[in-house]
Amino acid sequence: AQRVTQPEKLLSVFKGAPVELKCNYSYSGSPELFWYVQYSRQRLQLLLRHISRESIKGFTADLNKGETSFHLKKPFAQEEDSAMYYCALSDNYGQNFVFGPGTRLSVLP
Amino acid sequence: EPEVTQTPSHQVTQMGQEVILRCVPISNHLYFYWYRQILGQKVEFLVSFYNNEISEKSEIFDDQFSVERPDGSNFTLKIRSTKLEDSAMYFCASSERQKAFFGQGTRLTVV
Repeated sequence: AQRVTQPEKLLSVFKGAPVELKCNYSYSGSPELFWYVQYSRQRLQLLLRHISRESIKGFTADLNKGETSFHLKKPFAQEEDSAMYYCALSDNYGQNFVFGPGTRLSVLP
Repeated sequence: EPEVTQTPSHQVTQMGQEVILRCVPISNHLYFYWYRQILGQKVEFLVSFYNNEISEKSEIFDDQFSVERPDGSNFTLKIRSTKLEDSAMYFCASSERQKAFFGQGTRLTVV
């Protein structure tokens, strides 16, 4: 069964500190992994996806197939990074996105 | 950048009534989705739609729910005989090449 877990409901860090949002998944094939972000009162937005190997707003995420993880990292957190972050996976056809429960990141001044 | 738009932004309905939530996906996208987020809970998959038919649906998407693409541009979610527990944010999304774009959501409140 497809499943995405994010062990932390809430993560608080100080501005300038490194941040890592954890994501683990279970999937029988080769999924595509994504991070979505939801800022206060805004829609879900795609932050990054593993196939692009991109860095958006200073965030990166590496797919570790051995550990079935796709942790999101940023070396220096900013206050504007405070938001809900959802890890998600989909099949190779881009159907049926499965979301994790989300982690609320709070960056303190 | 093109956007997925949803109407209305907030709908209040009485228990037992039918509601239709509307979505306009991005025009060249082929896959369409509805998701639900009950307050304080995670985003849950309801249904995906491709080539004018349901391609996958979750256990939540029972006979109370239906989707339609009535005119080639709108994508609607109909909820019959609403219950209190249907109160949630409903997100529409469309995707192309594994990149999904979400609407701003419709907040459904069943009273």
